[in-house]
Amino acid sequence: EVQLVESGGGLVQPGGSLRLSCAASGFTFSSYEMNWVRQAPGKGLEWVSYISSSGSTIYYADSVKGRFTISRDNAKNSLYLQMNSLRAEDTAVYYCATEHFDYWGQGTLVTVSS
Amino acid sequence: QSALTQPASVSGSPGQSITISCTGTSSDVGGYNYVSWYQQHPGKAPKLMIYDVSNRPSGVSNRFSGSKSGNTASLTISGLQAEDEADYYCSSYTSSSTRWVFGGGTKLTVL
Repeated sequence: EVQLVESGGGLVQPGGSLRLSCAASGFTFSSYEMNWVRQAPGKGLEWVSYISSSGSTIYYADSVKGRFTISRDNAKNSLYLQMNSLRAEDTAVYYCATEHFDYWGQGTLVTVSS
Repeated sequence: QSALTQPASVSGSPGQSITISCTGTSSDVGGYNYVSWYQQHPGKAPKLMIYDVSNRPSGVSNRFSGSKSGNTASLTISGLQAEDEADYYCSSYTSSSTRWVFGGGTKLTVL
């Protein structure tokens, strides 16, 4: 059974940093491209970032470019999102999802507030 | 990259059919057959309902179908049931500097 479990969310002050993790199981993680998607409270889905299976190709949404960094460790079956210079508008539930969004984690809430 | 355009809400009675549209451009919806649809119930993660415009993942009811014409994709739900009440989102691959784009979401109410 495919499982994606996000962790690392929490309350952080504006300008602060946070690192999200996504632990994958039930499939060959190293063969899959992965994505981060977020959803602000009461709002729609927003694609955040993509990483290829090897980690060599990366894309970001314009709203996070230069502040967020996606990475992966295929040996640990894990996906990461390093978030720096956080803003109030980054407050959202962050989901990791497989390459074609066929599997999603349960999400982790990031709240940016003073 | 602008979000794909979806109606904010649609509604229908049990047993009826409804269609939700998703309008993009030739750089996304119109240019590629990589349109997907998701169902999201409150407090839950999105669930893939349709991929590659018109394909259903295993386990998804055949009451759900997808199509595309030009820059607009559509999700049709036939034989509406109470449990279909949810938010629905579309997504598409895009040739822009990003890679994927989502629609703004449509709230389906089953009357």
